[in-house]
This record gives sequence, C-alpha cells and structure tokens, in this order.
Amino acid sequence: DAMVIQNPRYQVTQFGKPVTLSCSQTLNHNVMYWYQQKSSQAPKLLFHYYDKDFNNEADTPDNFQSRRPNTSFCFLDIRSPGLGDAAMYLCATGDRGTKNIQYFGAGTRLSVL
Amino acid sequence: QKEVEQDPGPLSVPEGAIVSLNCTYSNSAFQYFMWYRQYSRKGPELLMYTYSSGNKEDGRFTAQVDKSSKYISLFIRDSQPSDSATYLCAMIRDDKIIFGKGTRLHILP
Repeated sequence: DAMVIQNPRYQVTQFGKPVTLSCSQTLNHNVMYWYQQKSSQAPKLLFHYYDKDFNNEADTPDNFQSRRPNTSFCFLDIRSPGLGDAAMYLCATGDRGTKNIQYFGAGTRLSVL
Repeated sequence: QKEVEQDPGPLSVPEGAIVSLNCTYSNSAFQYFMWYRQYSRKGPELLMYTYSSGNKEDGRFTAQVDKSSKYISLFIRDSQPSDSATYLCAMIRDDKIIFGKGTRLHILP
C-alpha cells in the first residue's frame, strides 16, 4: 500500500503559469519534505514542515512555496515556473520523534513548455 | 571535500554476481545510514538503514557500516536484472538527509 502519495505523477505547465503539486501520507509522520531532483543528480531539499513549522532552505528560490493544511497533506506551489524548474519533485515524510528515516513518494515529473 | 562521496558509475556486472556499492563520508555527526534504490522516473525506495558499525542483512542485501573508517557499503548477492537501478547512500545529521550522488547499476542478463 502506498504510504506517501503524490499527485499528479506527470504535470505539464507553461512558462510562467502557476502550478501546484500535492502530497499526502498515511504514516502520520510529523515531518514532510519537498525535494527537487534533476537528471543524474541527488535529490535537493527545498523545504520541510515539522508539524506546522515551516523550514526553508537558504538557497530555495522565492518562486517555490509550500502549504501544509493538516498532518496528512502538503502542497508545493511554483508561482512562475521557468524552464529550469523542469525536474522530478519528490515528497518525503519522517517521524522526528523516532529515527526520522525518510520515506519517499513516487514523485511528480514536471515539464515546462 | 563533500560530506558524502559516492562513485556515480555506471557499474555493470553479470547476473548472479555479488555487487558491492560504497560511500565514504567526512562528518562524524552522522547518525543513521541508509541505502535507497531508485528506478528510472520513480521516487527513492528505502532499502535498509543502520545505526551502528557492523552488518545488517535483509534477504539478498547486506548493509555494512565502519564508523572508524567513515565508510559504508551495500552488498547485493545473486544479483538480478531487476536490481538494475540507481543506488543512493544517505546519512542523517540534524534531522536532514545528506545524499550521495548515487551509483547507476546495470545487471547484465
């Protein structure tokens, strides 16, 4: 059973047109992460939520925003996608109370035309 | 020096061979050591995690950690074509994962 679910699996958007990617989890983990992964590279952390506490990485562009309305859901908003934002976006969850080992979803592949 | 070093490969081995994948790290603060498997166009899948030095076995997979040498390994026995994927080592410090670049593995039928 999928525990970290990302929708959609593939997303095509136009240059500058806002897009939202979603992630849900059934693990009841208190931390949710968003990563960007480009071809042949390791995932790059964009930001994470520890419960409702938002933590942005210093080098994450302002173009990327996130919302976590409840424990189960987290959204990644890209306000004005550029060609360089085409990538795989990965959601992960972890439980900070225990080991905080992270579990990933299948990813959303974003194309920008 | 990067915190986690991993040879990107590609590594090609014949079916049935034992595969050895390795990472080195520089920061003694790392607490947990993980191996993820990532198939093309999919998310990373957690294979194994370890905390202390020593070996941990799960089926055909063995994870090994040597904290004194700052070296971790993943061994795959009786390798199968379905093992062809990218293998990412990863380590936790300060609640963040630091990934290696991943090693692309090809198992040749």
